[in-house]
Amino acid sequence: KNQVEQSPQSLIILEGKNCTLQCNYTVSPFSNLRWYKQDTGRGPVSLTIMTFSENTKSNGRYTATLDADTKQSSLHITASQLSDSASYICVVSGSITGTASKLTFGTGTRLQVTL
Amino acid sequence: NAGVTQTPKFQVLKTGQSMTLQCAQDMNHEYMSWYRQDPGMGLRLIHYSVGAGITDQGEVPNGYNVSRSTTEDFPLRLLSAAPSQTSVYFCASRKGPLQPYEQYFGPGTRLTVT
Repeated sequence: KNQVEQSPQSLIILEGKNCTLQCNYTVSPFSNLRWYKQDTGRGPVSLTIMTFSENTKSNGRYTATLDADTKQSSLHITASQLSDSASYICVVSGSITGTASKLTFGTGTRLQVTL
Repeated sequence: NAGVTQTPKFQVLKTGQSMTLQCAQDMNHEYMSWYRQDPGMGLRLIHYSVGAGITDQGEVPNGYNVSRSTTEDFPLRLLSAAPSQTSVYFCASRKGPLQPYEQYFGPGTRLTVT
């Protein structure tokens, strides 16, 4: 069964500190992996998309890594800010279901940045 | 560009009532989809469309109906609301159904069925 598992479920860090969120997946075949940020009460917003051949991608203070051999990804947040408080969702795209690529969503890591 | 818009933002229904959740995008995207988000679960696909006049079922389609008469609009209809349909609903769109295009989400509709 295709699954995306994220850890930790929740995390509290002090403003200015770094953190790393983990994503393990069993989706096969693999096409691409996405990280989304979801603020409370809002829709998810894309941070990065990585295909099979990419092993790192940055978007400002966010850096995602991908190891397609071990089926693991991480999202590293540098110098955290209060505005980084949100849920971070890992999404893996794999097989084609019907007429479109299927996206499998993780349950997210809830990050709280405090003073 | 407004991106993906959804209305209403909040809705309360009684069991058995029907309603339509509206979704529109102004990016000329071929692919549009509806998800539901429930506590402790990842987003789950309800229905999707790869173009005007073409729709298909996702993983949790029961109790929902969709149609796509234009590229811009993709409404989701609840035929006879049940408490199990209490959830947050997100509409999303991307340029095409197959390539790794960025997917854009709407702001969501929080639905409560009593």
